[in-house]
Amino acid sequence: KQEVTQIPAALSVPEGENLVLNCSFTDSAIYNLQWFRQDPGKGLTSLLLIQSSQREQTSGRLNASLDKSSGRSTLYIAASQPGDSATYLCAVRKGNSGYSTLTFGKGTMLLVSP
Amino acid sequence: NAGVMQNPRHLVRRRGQEARLRCSPMKGHSHVYWYRQLPEEGLKFMVYLQKENIIDESGMPKERFSAEFPKEGPSILRIQQVVRGDSAAYFCASSPPSPGGGRETQYFGPGTRLLVL
Repeated sequence: KQEVTQIPAALSVPEGENLVLNCSFTDSAIYNLQWFRQDPGKGLTSLLLIQSSQREQTSGRLNASLDKSSGRSTLYIAASQPGDSATYLCAVRKGNSGYSTLTFGKGTMLLVSP
Repeated sequence: NAGVMQNPRHLVRRRGQEARLRCSPMKGHSHVYWYRQLPEEGLKFMVYLQKENIIDESGMPKERFSAEFPKEGPSILRIQQVVRGDSAAYFCASSPPSPGGGRETQYFGPGTRLLVL
């Protein structure tokens, strides 16, 4: 059974800092890995999706890496801003043939103070 | 192109009542997924439906919970005789049809927050 763990559970940083969020998963047979952002009382916004054959993806100040063999992914946020404050969720999709659903971690709650 | 719509956004029920949660997928999407987020927990898969068919309900409690996705209209997640432990955020996601199976990107709705008193 796939399990996804995210550390730290919460993180507070001053504006402008670079930071790294960690995600680990127990079953390396994944199809892809996705990072989401969840604002309080809101739905999920997809940030980055990394296919199992890829090592990293970048979007603006965000960079996600994937080490499938070791079961790890990191989300790097450069020059953090107060608007980055949210909960960041990591989710993996199973690699078997046919359909598969997402398995989520519990998230990292990020607070960026001005 | 409107995103995934869920209503109501907030729902309050007393123990023993029924809760009906609705999800309208994005236009052209025929796959719907329901997830539940309990307090302090991650999102957990509940059920995966295609039009008029339940494909996988392995994450849904065997009793009191049911889901449907009719040919016309939204997908419905129904919880009968609600208990306090059902209080959670329920998220719906949709994805387009895929010849390779249901592994297309899922787009999430804003969720329904259910509170059982």
